[in-house]
Amino acid sequence: ETGVTQSPTHLIKTRGQQVTLRCSSQSGHNTVSWYQQALGQGPQFIFQYYREEENGRGNFPPRFSGLQFPNYSSELNVNALELDDSALYLCASTEGGTAKNIQYFGAGTRLSVL
Amino acid sequence: GQQLNQSPQSMFIQEGEDVSMNCTSSSIFNTWLWYKQDPGEGPVLLIALYKAGELTSNGRLTAQFGITRKDSFLNISASIPSDVGIYFCAGQYTGANSKLTFGKGITLSVRP
Repeated sequence: ETGVTQSPTHLIKTRGQQVTLRCSSQSGHNTVSWYQQALGQGPQFIFQYYREEENGRGNFPPRFSGLQFPNYSSELNVNALELDDSALYLCASTEGGTAKNIQYFGAGTRLSVL
Repeated sequence: GQQLNQSPQSMFIQEGEDVSMNCTSSSIFNTWLWYKQDPGEGPVLLIALYKAGELTSNGRLTAQFGITRKDSFLNISASIPSDVGIYFCAGQYTGANSKLTFGKGITLSVRP
């Protein structure tokens, strides 16, 4: 139990729709990272939020966007969904500002795009 | 995006056996981590390594940070059925955003 919670657990959308995924970070953690894990692959870094600002982004198009709120919870938004967006979306929280930036993962949201 | 190299994709061992897995990268990292993922769950941290050459244990698990900073290995001794799962290595720069770069994972099966 990492204390990182994600919602919803499963979601089905159709191509072209928009989706919002949510993450509550572990208590005391001010940094949230989002990853996309396609079937049979390792997680791929999407972006990170630190104190409500984007703090680094992976190789994902602008239709992937995010937010972090004052309580450090976070949202991942994906516009104009494509079939290839079907994946497990993982959120990880970190106690930023420490030397050992351990990332603790939630159970993920499984997104299916039809 | 970049992925670290983990092979083989699957490993099958007998309960009680030891197993080793390694992970290589074309880039240098200053932290190496090993995670385990069970079906329907997120990755769970097993071991974190912070210094080249470091050897760290966590129960029956032992991991080492390669001296070139481009590789790491994980050893599981005396395997048990609950060791079944997918094992991922991840490299990290503890710099601007400390993103994790993962391997594709190795699926471990343990025969009773």
